[in-house]
Amino acid sequence: AQSVTQLGSHVSVSEGALVLLRCNYSSSVPPYLFWYVQYPNQGLQLLLKYTTGATLVKGINGFEAEFKKSETSFHLTKPSAHMSDAAEYFCAVSDRKGYKLSFGAGTTVTVRA
Amino acid sequence: DTGVSQDPRHKITKRGQNVTFRCDPISEHNRLYWYRQTLGQGPEFLTYFQNEAQLEKSRLLSDRFSAERPKGSFSTLEIQRTEQGDSAMYLCASSLASQGGQPQHFGDGTRLSIL
Repeated sequence: AQSVTQLGSHVSVSEGALVLLRCNYSSSVPPYLFWYVQYPNQGLQLLLKYTTGATLVKGINGFEAEFKKSETSFHLTKPSAHMSDAAEYFCAVSDRKGYKLSFGAGTTVTVRA
Repeated sequence: DTGVSQDPRHKITKRGQNVTFRCDPISEHNRLYWYRQTLGQGPEFLTYFQNEAQLEKSRLLSDRFSAERPKGSFSTLEIQRTEQGDSAMYLCASSLASQGGQPQHFGDGTRLSIL
């Protein structure tokens, strides 16, 4: 069984500061990894994904994440926060069959002016 | 690409009533998924279809829940004899099945409130 742990349910950053959201997974084999963003009363939008290959993955809106197998981590970063980054972020994992997603509990990001 | 469409966006009903939600996936996607999301939590997998075949159901999907995808296009999720604990956001997603790691594209969800 796979599971995802997101450290920190809330993160507050100043506009222009680094955004760092932590995600650790447990899986018997390297899974596929995803980050999604959710704005209020909306569905989830894919930010980026890791399947194979380069472990540093770039996504939309300036976000990137690095897959570290030895640490079973897939942390999400953005060098400079923007007010529009205020949202809830979910890390998710699927097995190599590639269908069912298991999500973390989410991290809410607030951006201070 | 018109995206995944869900209807209705909001549903308020009394306990004990039946409700049905509809999901229209992205047209070329042959996989369709249902998830449930409660306040402050990540989505939880309920069930998925490949074309018209329902291939897996979560233990979360009690006998009161049924999902169909009759022609491999749109899907419906029905909840019979609703209970307070059914209050949640129900999310539909779709993807291609060509290979693993295909991202799932989500609709905006149906928010169910049980009075």
